[in-house]
Amino acid sequence: QSALTQPRSVSESPGQSVTISCTGTSSDVGDYNYVSWYQHHPGKAPKLMIYDVSKRPSGVPDRFSGSKSGNTASLTISGLQAEDEADYYCCSFAGTYTSVFGGGTKLTVL
Amino acid sequence: EVQMVQSGAEVKKPGESLKISCRSSGYNFGTYWIGWVRQMPGKGLEWMGVIYPGDSDSRYSPSFQGQVTISADKSINTAYLQWSSLKASDTAIYYCARQNVARYDQWGQGTLVTVSS
Repeated sequence: QSALTQPRSVSESPGQSVTISCTGTSSDVGDYNYVSWYQHHPGKAPKLMIYDVSKRPSGVPDRFSGSKSGNTASLTISGLQAEDEADYYCCSFAGTYTSVFGGGTKLTVL
Repeated sequence: EVQMVQSGAEVKKPGESLKISCRSSGYNFGTYWIGWVRQMPGKGLEWMGVIYPGDSDSRYSPSFQGQVTISADKSINTAYLQWSSLKASDTAIYYCARQNVARYDQWGQGTLVTVSS
């Protein structure tokens, strides 16, 4: 059960869009439509931003969207705002109630 | 309102035992899995394991199997994470979270565990 692969960091200017990838295997990302994404500001609890690949919980702006192709899931944030600067983690169901997180991506809004 | 409230920060010595808690409210505790997630200093989130309080069925990441024990007491809506012999490398923030189908939709505030001689 290896961690999912994410870029360590991405950066973009306010108002622009950024996409964060999350690559797993055919035993996790590729096998289940149960990829979720979490926003984590240091010192705070992680926050669910996307679940079941592309669904948004109530209260999450529609600037956040998710998708998946094969073993790779993606989180896209459009219209970047300063408050989007945070660490982002993907997470995939991996069978029998187990899960695996990605290594995390630090988003910098320039 | 769903809430997950974790126990406070701990400072322990190597070799000591520890049990931290996560008390849930606002939903039927026995019908959702509860997961534990570790964040070591400067590192990312790591999935440790889950427990179903309804019957105490638990699952562990291979990385944590045998290193920690996850338990729950549904009479007081509380899940636990425990160590029998702490190591310095157990220093981390530990989060509990409610597993809703395959997503973690409610999180505790985190418990900082510091292990130092």
